[in-house]
Amino acid sequence: DTAVSQTPKYLVTQMGNDKSIKCEQNLGHDTMYWYKQDSKKFLKIMFSYNNKELIINETVPNRFSPKSPDKAHLNLHINSLELGDSAVYFCASSQDDQYGYTFGSGTRLTVV
Amino acid sequence: SQKIEQNSEALNIQEGKTATLTCNYTNYSPAYLQWYRQDPGRGPVFLLLIRENEKEKRKERLKVTFDTTLKQSLFHITASQPADSATYLCALALSSRQLTFGSGTQLTVLP
Repeated sequence: DTAVSQTPKYLVTQMGNDKSIKCEQNLGHDTMYWYKQDSKKFLKIMFSYNNKELIINETVPNRFSPKSPDKAHLNLHINSLELGDSAVYFCASSQDDQYGYTFGSGTRLTVV
Repeated sequence: SQKIEQNSEALNIQEGKTATLTCNYTNYSPAYLQWYRQDPGRGPVFLLLIRENEKEKRKERLKVTFDTTLKQSLFHITASQPADSATYLCALALSSRQLTFGSGTQLTVLP
């Protein structure tokens, strides 16, 4: 069983479209995250959810909206996609501050 | 402003040698520091965590040190193998559930 799974793995779409990326974790972790990794491989946190409540919202455009229907799922919806949104998006989860994060395998988003 | 720097973008070493990767930070007071491994096309994988009151942590061939005075962590892989080739990321925990990553060092172990 995959601990943190995200779909789709690849997403190619045109500018202006709206798309969603889904994430599910079966680890029973309380906190889930979305990270963006740009072309220079720099990982930057976007959102964090703890027990379905948003606890971090870094300075991302409001075109990005996380949705957490329950603590095992954290989806990312993106409106009006732009070229600069092209990146790899990683979902992750953690149980406690003092243990590592478990990451999904990433979704490579390409906006054309 | 807060900054995390990893010593070099790429590091090549010979198989069997010890690889040493450096993570320096400024304007942070992290509660703990973590190291991750990332392979191409994959998500980061957690390796080790060291707390601010710990000097050293070991796990098999891996060793991490944490010097809060120098604001530096060193990550060592002893008896390196080609399979250790990957990008290694350090990450600092500043506050609850906020892990900030460095840009990574790509390690290549040559046979």
